[in-house]
Amino acid sequence: DQQVKQNSPSLSVQEGRISILNCDYTNSMFDYFLWYKKYPAEGPTFLISISSIKDKNEDGRFTVFLNKSAKHLSLHIVPSQPGDSAVYFCAASALRGFKTIFGAGTRLFVKA
Amino acid sequence: EAQVTQNPRYLITVTGKKLTVTCSQNMNHEYMSWYRQDPGLGLRQIYYSMNVEVTDKGDVPEGYKVSRKEKRNFPLILESPSPNQTSLYFCASRSPAGGPSGANVLTFGAGSRLTVL
Repeated sequence: DQQVKQNSPSLSVQEGRISILNCDYTNSMFDYFLWYKKYPAEGPTFLISISSIKDKNEDGRFTVFLNKSAKHLSLHIVPSQPGDSAVYFCAASALRGFKTIFGAGTRLFVKA
Repeated sequence: EAQVTQNPRYLITVTGKKLTVTCSQNMNHEYMSWYRQDPGLGLRQIYYSMNVEVTDKGDVPEGYKVSRKEKRNFPLILESPSPNQTSLYFCASRSPAGGPSGANVLTFGAGSRLTVL
């Protein structure tokens, strides 16, 4: 029973174009969502987050959109750069909860 | 530098030989957690600890033990490892809700790749 789903195992994008990574969740108790980025041989690092009271959060080239009615969030990277090539994990939690549930990850390839 | 340190980074062992993966953080975080990463399954939580002497099971606790005797350390213990515990393990600690990086942000160690033969 996957509560957080990333249905695209991989995504390939040309440098300079937009990358859109998608994530769906099933548990309505989740009210805080995060994206992490992972390079090989390193631990995941925090990228951007969004609270359920918002529908958009922007940080430089990264924007996360939240559609609560659809239980869907997406990460937009504009413009994409070769250094963005990594595995991206979507994660969900209750704001003051003790569990963070991760999706399976999407591997992004940005071609120069 | 704020960090989570795990050791060993790589380990090959045999079935049944007890092992411990250590984890230490220098951020004075109360919350710590262990995850395993497997292909197609993402990161799954094994155990977590809300504070010293307070631990609870995550989603995949079978075959693992933890202890939290000090705030900075949260070791993961495999009493009798089996091949299905071959995985990449991550320790993480968490900022308090509303910390400088935002709520619920986990800081991860670099990972420990464990192979059980």
